[in-house]
Amino acid sequence: SQQGEEDPQALSIQEGENATMNCSYKTSINNLQWYRQNSGRGLVHLILIRSNEREKHSGRLRVTLDTSKKSSSLLITASRAADTASYFCATDLGNDMRFGAGTRLTVKP
Amino acid sequence: DTGVSQDPRHKITKRGQNVTFRCDPISEHNRLYWYRQTLGQGPEFLTYFQNEAQLEKSRLLSDRFSAERPKGSFSTLEIQRTEQGDSAMYLCASSLDEGLDGYTFGSGTRLTVV
Repeated sequence: SQQGEEDPQALSIQEGENATMNCSYKTSINNLQWYRQNSGRGLVHLILIRSNEREKHSGRLRVTLDTSKKSSSLLITASRAADTASYFCATDLGNDMRFGAGTRLTVKP
Repeated sequence: DTGVSQDPRHKITKRGQNVTFRCDPISEHNRLYWYRQTLGQGPEFLTYFQNEAQLEKSRLLSDRFSAERPKGSFSTLEIQRTEQGDSAMYLCASSLDEGLDGYTFGSGTRLTVV
């Protein structure tokens, strides 16, 4: 069963704009991770945030985590056409991870 | 080591046939996971191994599905008596211990049951 839910399901922006995706989950977690998937390919790990962290940065990525609300957000700044992909949040329950249905991001050049 | 390898990339089979997929994880990774992904959805957990031990199986993994990881190296996922509902992308991932550096995914095996 899927644990997380991403919002929105789809997002279309212009190159250079920022993209924000949200994730809500249901149970307590050890950490939360974000992955990216290009069409028809495997998933690529982007960033991990531990349950005791509130914000984390990696290059153009910024992730926040609010464990009281069981939610996380992924911000991609200064988006590029190459950022076009599906983005998934994944909650680490200790032994394995559960993924949401993803946000499909389209960045128009 | 070039990452997680899955074979074959694509498999078309007739309903009722058996199929087997292979996954070669990153050599130093002791954990191996199988996920299934259908169009427009996120990956759904099927099972995982810690070395050669299969430690968890999802209810999605019916009796027709079996996975092995002999000697804690590569893994195979077999589906017996395939059904059209088995059509999906089957993804393998590996990690070191609890995966605090994230999971490394293979490119997947796309199964089409006709």
